[in-house]
Amino acid sequence: DIQMTQSPSTLSASVGDRVTITCRASQSVSNWLAWFQQKPGKAPKLLIYTASSLQSGVPSRFSGSGSGTEFTLTISSLQPDDFATYYCQQYNSYGYTFGQGTKLEIK
Amino acid sequence: DVQLVESGGGLVQPGRSLRLSCTASGFTFDDYTMSWVRQAPGKGLEWVGFIRRKPYGGTAEYAASVKGRVTISRDDSNSIAYLQLNSLKTEDTAVYFCTRAHLLEAAGKYYFDYWGQGTLVTVSS
Repeated sequence: DIQMTQSPSTLSASVGDRVTITCRASQSVSNWLAWFQQKPGKAPKLLIYTASSLQSGVPSRFSGSGSGTEFTLTISSLQPDDFATYYCQQYNSYGYTFGQGTKLEIK
Repeated sequence: DVQLVESGGGLVQPGRSLRLSCTASGFTFDDYTMSWVRQAPGKGLEWVGFIRRKPYGGTAEYAASVKGRVTISRDDSNSIAYLQLNSLKTEDTAVYFCTRAHLLEAAGKYYFDYWGQGTLVTVSS
């Protein structure tokens, strides 16, 4: 299976900050990459698909970029509701593997 | 609104079986591939498998970690997807999420756009 590695594992930031989370794949996944947000006790929520397409209803402060093996999720101006854990996932091949998660904490 | 509601979780002894259900509403169920993803307590997300819609064969694919012990099926007339878990192990303890898989037809790729709230399966003696 393709391995997905996120960095950092934990990120401390303040409301209004611009933050970036990186996801690296062990081999190329083209642009078949999604980003999810998960809050404690809740289901993951799709934010971005196909590396850079914003899911309907997701605020425009979220954006994604990258292709091949390196991807980023950027939140342009953190809001209180954004403190959560973020996961990347490749859907290029079976395994549909997820990164280990990045926990975004309030500084 | 799209809704996915999982049920059937609970405490089960190692070696036993359990069937989870996912009842869907708010969309045309038989137009979509349906998938299951699990999350062990305090851990990350792991894809379990999916079942294609009938026009694409209605066939299933499974993660290597569960293949041979898991069967996914669907009842399109009642908009329900099932996950049959057999020969359960303690490491199968997890919240099991049902997800809708959106097909990008030109590329034959699926991404998971809607998720249920999950049902907890605890495998313990």
